[in-house]
Amino acid sequence: AQSVTQLGSHVSVSEGALVLLRCNYSSSVPPYLFWYVQYPNQGLQLLLKYTSAATLVKGINGFEAEFKKSETSFHLTKPSAHMSDAAEYFCAASVRGSTLGRLYFGRGTQLTVWP
Amino acid sequence: EAGVVQSPRYKIIEKKQPVAFWCNPISGHNTLYWYLQNLGQGPELLIRYENEEAVDDSQLPKDRFSAERLKGVDSTLKIQPAELGDSAVYLCASSTRDSGGDEQFFGPGTRLTVL
Repeated sequence: AQSVTQLGSHVSVSEGALVLLRCNYSSSVPPYLFWYVQYPNQGLQLLLKYTSAATLVKGINGFEAEFKKSETSFHLTKPSAHMSDAAEYFCAASVRGSTLGRLYFGRGTQLTVWP
Repeated sequence: EAGVVQSPRYKIIEKKQPVAFWCNPISGHNTLYWYLQNLGQGPELLIRYENEEAVDDSQLPKDRFSAERLKGVDSTLKIQPAELGDSAVYLCASSTRDSGGDEQFFGPGTRLTVL
């Protein structure tokens, strides 16, 4: 089974500051990797996914993530935080070759953005 | 296009009572998932359907949980009897392979409180 670890259950940044949310996976075969965002009382929304050789993945709302096999990491970044980015973020993995199978989620990181 | 619909959005019951959750996936999506999200945790897959067939139910506690997707469209997840530890958010998601689709779309969830 895949295992996904998100370092830091809470991250706080000022508006305009860099956002960095950390995710590591534990698998001998690099899985497919995803970042989801969840706003209060809403379902999870896909931000971006890594499924190919392109290690830098760009997503919606200005977010991007870089897959680093040597570090087994897939950290999520955004150059300049906006108040509307405040939400919970989940990193997830699936078996390589299948984006529609079981997703293995991390515990989530709550992002707070201060004005 | 309507998203994944779940009802009820909130449910409060006493322990040992039965409860059922309903999910209507996005039209045309043949794959349906039920995930369990405990407080402070990421979602965990309970069961996945391909049309009417349950193809991954290894994490479904079958002594008290059951699910059905009789016509390959809507699905119902049932708990009988409910226990205090079942308090959580139950998420439904759907997906399709048509047109190269490779994303799971999530509903807003049903928040269950067992007293």
